[in-house]
Amino acid sequence: EVQLVESGGGLVQPGGSLRLSCAGSGFIFSSFTMHWVRQAPGKGLEYVSALSANGGETYYANSVRGRFVVSRDNSNNTLYLQMGSLRAEDMAVYYCARSPSWHSRFDYWGRGALVTVSS
Amino acid sequence: QPVLTQPPSVSGAPGQRVTISCTGSNSNIGAGYDVHWYQQLPETAPKLLIYDNSNRPSGVPDRFSGSKSGASASLAFSGLQAEDEADYYCQSYDSSLGGWVFGGGTKLTVL
Repeated sequence: EVQLVESGGGLVQPGGSLRLSCAGSGFIFSSFTMHWVRQAPGKGLEYVSALSANGGETYYANSVRGRFVVSRDNSNNTLYLQMGSLRAEDMAVYYCARSPSWHSRFDYWGRGALVTVSS
Repeated sequence: QPVLTQPPSVSGAPGQRVTISCTGSNSNIGAGYDVHWYQQLPETAPKLLIYDNSNRPSGVPDRFSGSKSGASASLAFSGLQAEDEADYYCQSYDSSLGGWVFGGGTKLTVL
């Protein structure tokens, strides 16, 4: 069974940093492009970041470029999102998702990790 | 402002046919990129409902269908059921942005 499990969410002050993790199981993690998508309370889905299967290609939404860094450890089947200079508008549930190829659908999603940015 | 435009809400009675539209532009849907649809039940993660414009993943009932024409796509429900009440999002790839885009989401209410 394919599973994606996010962790690392929590409360952080504005300007602070946080690292999210997404552990994959039940599939060949190193064969899939991985993504981060977020959803602010009561709002729609917002695309955040992507990382190709071999880690050679990345994409960041304009809203997080220069502040967030995506990475992966294929030997441990884990995706990461290092978030810095956090703002109130970054507060959201962060989902990781996988896709079979760079332009393809997101066929499995994790349950999400809540990031709260507040003083 | 989302790159893909969806109606904020739609509604219908059980058994009715309802459609949700998703309008893009020449840099995403109109450029030939596939459209995917996701269902998000209350307090849960999104789930893939339709992929590559009109394909259903295993386990998705055939009363859900998708189509694409030009720079727009649609998700149709034939025979609404109470458990279909959820938020629905379309998604595609945008060549101008160099990344993925979602619609703003449509809340489906079953009357």
